[in-house]
Amino acid sequence: DAGITQSPRHKVTETGTPVTLRCHQTENHRYMYWYRQDPGHGLRLIHYSYGVKDTDKGEVSDGYSVSRSKTEDFLLTLESATSSQTSVYFCAISERKGVSGNTIYFGEGSWLTVV
Amino acid sequence: GESVGLHLPTLSVQEGDNSIINCAYSNSASDYFIWYKQESGKGPQFIIDIRSNMDKRQGQRVTVLLNKTVKHLSLQIAATQPGDSAVYFCAENRLPDSWGKLQFGAGTQVVVTP
Repeated sequence: DAGITQSPRHKVTETGTPVTLRCHQTENHRYMYWYRQDPGHGLRLIHYSYGVKDTDKGEVSDGYSVSRSKTEDFLLTLESATSSQTSVYFCAISERKGVSGNTIYFGEGSWLTVV
Repeated sequence: GESVGLHLPTLSVQEGDNSIINCAYSNSASDYFIWYKQESGKGPQFIIDIRSNMDKRQGQRVTVLLNKTVKHLSLQIAATQPGDSAVYFCAENRLPDSWGKLQFGAGTQVVVTP
């Protein structure tokens, strides 16, 4: 258990509604990431954060925004959900980069269905 | 790399045999590699990692081999058990400027038969 809690774990929402997924970590790790996993595409990076208020876009960031106001929380927001955003969302965390024994750990996922 | 989606490559292994899962990575500049195991309904679970200055690393019942010449990674699982049934992913990362920005392979479904 890497000390990562994702919420909600499952959500069904309607097209056009805003949705926020939360990733909470108890490890005080600096680096946090949001990935999505879809059949046909594997896991792809949406956004990442290298520290409080330090965020940037990943490979598939269109339609998503993030915020990190505290070390322990990384929020992913879908401003206006679309059916193409139906997916499983995974949060990942890591400590300092390049340090021996340090790696990237994933949470248990949030299943989002947009109808 | 491209994923084959629902038609994941499948490796059927008899319980007690050794498993070898292969992965071709895409970026010759990648210098850190991770193997993850994912069970149905769960997140990717770290198995073992290797840096590009190594060609082999061993863990408990697992060995990762790295061949940079042909951009190939493999995971060997010794004495495969029913609990090893899962999807296995390799992931590559280019240190230090892209830490954690992983590129995942398509995944391999491992099915352990009694």
